[in-house]
Amino acid sequence: NAGVTQTPKFRILKIGQSMTLQCTQDMNHNYMYWYRQDPGMGLKLIYYSVGAGITDKGEVPNGYNVSRSTTEDFPLRLELAAPSQTSVYFCASSYTEGGRGRGNTIYFGEGSWLTVV
Amino acid sequence: KNQVEQSPQSLIILEGKNCTLQCNYTVSPFSNLRWYKQDTGRGPVSLTIMTFSENTKSNGRYTATLDADTKQSSLHITASQLSDSASYICVVTFDRGSTLGRLYFGRGTQLTVWP
Repeated sequence: NAGVTQTPKFRILKIGQSMTLQCTQDMNHNYMYWYRQDPGMGLKLIYYSVGAGITDKGEVPNGYNVSRSTTEDFPLRLELAAPSQTSVYFCASSYTEGGRGRGNTIYFGEGSWLTVV
Repeated sequence: KNQVEQSPQSLIILEGKNCTLQCNYTVSPFSNLRWYKQDTGRGPVSLTIMTFSENTKSNGRYTATLDADTKQSSLHITASQLSDSASYICVVTFDRGSTLGRLYFGRGTQLTVWP
């Protein structure tokens, strides 16, 4: 079972460069999320999507963009990379609304380590 | 302010021993509380999910408890194994009615199990 797949696993960017983190899930989940995890800190929500064609900002959206053209894919775009975007990025998905309900497990990808130099 | 605080920050135990990790939260209103295990270099994996009406949930050697009155949860690990070495993250859902439930993540407790 593939679950949530993220690519690339590791990437080094120069300041000002742009890149896209890819995320795909094969569980037919409506809800997808992008989080960042800074060292010693809890995960912070960047963007989320409640279905194809619908996206919205989370807590820390500045410097990022997303799109959701299909149910499966939810890419995260970094424009004009800055050192403050050095972090680990996690894509996640869930069948129902994030965090709601006892059985609503949120599945995470393996993470993408991004360093901006 | 909605927060999730975990203690201890790190913990070292010997293989076969038991341990208990703590999670205190101020998130209100609260929908549910989850414990995740995150191995080094991997994504978080769900261990337990409890709603406000549940006070205990087990998953193998992992047992989570919840006291919604005092806003405290604990994760008890029995007969620890080397593979239990990981970060354990407490996640609380803020219930905002019809909008997306907001997740508050703790910083995690880093558990190391020594042979």
